[in-house]
Amino acid sequence: AQSVTQPDIHITVSEGASLELRCNYSYGATPYLFWYVQSPGQGLQLLLKYFSGDTLVQGIKGFEAEFKRSQSSFNLRKPSVHWSDAAEYFCAVTRGGYNKLIFGAGTRLAVHP
Amino acid sequence: DVKVTQSSRYLVKRTGEKVFLECVQDMDHENMFWYRQDPGLGLRLIYFSYDVKMKEKGDIPEGYSVSREKKERFSLILESASTNQTSMYLCASSSPGLAGIGYEQYFGPGTRLTVT
Repeated sequence: AQSVTQPDIHITVSEGASLELRCNYSYGATPYLFWYVQSPGQGLQLLLKYFSGDTLVQGIKGFEAEFKRSQSSFNLRKPSVHWSDAAEYFCAVTRGGYNKLIFGAGTRLAVHP
Repeated sequence: DVKVTQSSRYLVKRTGEKVFLECVQDMDHENMFWYRQDPGLGLRLIYFSYDVKMKEKGDIPEGYSVSREKKERFSLILESASTNQTSMYLCASSSPGLAGIGYEQYFGPGTRLTVT
């Protein structure tokens, strides 16, 4: 069965530091992978997605993610974090038809000044 | 600009009440979804709909039903609200995509429901 694991529940970084959020998936076929961000009190916004092709994907707000099939991972990175990046981040993988998704439990990011 | 709206941001209901959560999208999407979000559990799919009057159960449908009479509107119904249904409810929509996969979901702002 498909699944998504985000090993880190909470991460705290200093403003200006680099960031990597981990995501591991289990999926039998070629996965379609997504990262979403949820700011406090808001719905989810798509950061980036991977369907095929180049395994390094660029997204909005300076984020990127790298698909590694051999490690079943799709980690999210940002070279320099801003205070406004404090939010909860969700990794998701497609599951069957109708664009259904399976979400990870989320990683809550705190940014120290 | 794409938009998914939900009827209420915050809702407080009593145990046993019938509760309606409304979701409207303006993107002419075929697919619509209802999730509940709980800390440490991520988003869990309650129901989804792939066309008007068509619906399928998700992972946690117990205690919920849905209605889709028009393409743009998808309603979640709690037949008899219970305290364990206190949660954040998120609605989403998407295009069907090629072979039913590959398109992103667009989310509404959520409804935080408290059942007392």
